[in-house]
Amino acid sequence: ETGVTQSPTHLIKTRGQQVTLRCSSQSGHNTVSWYQQALGQGPQFIFQYYREEENGRGNFPPRFSGLQFPNYSSELNVNALELDDSALYLCASSVLLAGAGDTQYFGPGTRLTVL
Amino acid sequence: QQQVKQSPQSLIVQKGGIPIINCAYENTAFDYFPWYQQFPGKGPALLIAIRPDVSEKKEGRFTISFNKSAKQFSLHIMDSQPGDSATYFCAASGSGGTSYGKLTFGQGTILTVHP
Repeated sequence: ETGVTQSPTHLIKTRGQQVTLRCSSQSGHNTVSWYQQALGQGPQFIFQYYREEENGRGNFPPRFSGLQFPNYSSELNVNALELDDSALYLCASSVLLAGAGDTQYFGPGTRLTVL
Repeated sequence: QQQVKQSPQSLIVQKGGIPIINCAYENTAFDYFPWYQQFPGKGPALLIAIRPDVSEKKEGRFTISFNKSAKQFSLHIMDSQPGDSATYFCAASGSGGTSYGKLTFGQGTILTVHP
């Protein structure tokens, strides 16, 4: 069984550019959630994908968008990058079960720096 | 309504000590409370989790105590070791409504265990 993997590990972009981050979910998991973790803070929920559909969104603007593919891997896209977008972006996979809490397993993250 | 408040921000103990980290929540729809451990440059790793139908759960050296009426829960680390030095996050999510499957994290506690 493989864990959650993310790519790339690190990324440097300039303000106004666009970025795509990738995540492969843990084997057997059908749900992917994305979180933004600023330095010294707890992760903040961006959105969640279940069966290729967005299944909830946190307080992030529309320039943060995502996709989930039939193999349950996922992408996070951020347009018009701002300096405040510099953070560790975490992907978490889980098995969504009705009526149960969502045990989420995190990948190592992608460190995005916006200059 | 969605906040999870964590304290203390940092904690220093001697090897063998029992650090205690506390969290309080507001949203009564929360019914799943995990704790994550995060090392520098890594993603959060699930340590232990509890649901509100029990008041305590133990896994190895880690214990969660849960007080539903006070809307508080805490992590105790027995016989702490230098390798336990990390940042610890409490989190919460719900089984229904807008909080379903979306983890809300505390601000984190930086634990240092001296040899």
